[in-house]
Amino acid sequence: SQTIHQWPATLVQPVGSPLSLECTVEGTSNPNLYWYRQAAGRGLQLLFYSVGIGQISSEVPQNLSASRPQDRQFILSSKKLLLSDSGFYLCAWSNVKTRRAFFGQGTRLTVV
Amino acid sequence: AQSVTQLDSQVPVFEEAPVELRCNYSSSVSVYLFWYVQYPNQGLQLLLKYLSGSTLVKGINGFEAEFNKSQTSFHLRKPSVHISDTAEYFCAVRPGGSQGNLIFGKGTKLSVKP
Repeated sequence: SQTIHQWPATLVQPVGSPLSLECTVEGTSNPNLYWYRQAAGRGLQLLFYSVGIGQISSEVPQNLSASRPQDRQFILSSKKLLLSDSGFYLCAWSNVKTRRAFFGQGTRLTVV
Repeated sequence: AQSVTQLDSQVPVFEEAPVELRCNYSSSVSVYLFWYVQYPNQGLQLLLKYLSGSTLVKGINGFEAEFNKSQTSFHLRKPSVHISDTAEYFCAVRPGGSQGNLIFGKGTKLSVKP
């Protein structure tokens, strides 16, 4: 069966520090991969999506970047965190045929 | 441009009462519609979805939603809620034919009290 792993679950980082959130998928191949953010009091916002290795599309300009070094690995990064980067980050994958999306457990990032 | 509006940010109800969580959307193209639930300290789970066919969709945990094209709504209902239904509920749309860009509403926090 397919599973999605996202870590860490919580993270507290100082302003200006780097960030790396990792997401891996098991049990499927060539998934579409997504990073979402839920800022406090706001809905989910799509940050990045990827349809294949090395193929990243950015939905909004921001302080973050994403990479897909392997078929089932999706990494969210930042060189220098801002206070406004605080929020709940969700990784997801979708089956291209069924279009059903599966979400990770999320990472609550607090930038202090 | 597509958008999703969840009219209520918080809905408090007593156990065994009925509940309706409202969702309206705007889109110039046909859409697929979804409701997701996020229980405390957990990731999102799909409750139900409407792709085509019958406008009344039944999901897990006794929830159902009705697609109303004329009113561009997809309200979520349950005739009798339990304490365990306390969670945040997200309505989402996906423009038909796209590769998977989900547009989410801001969420509705359902609090079920004994």
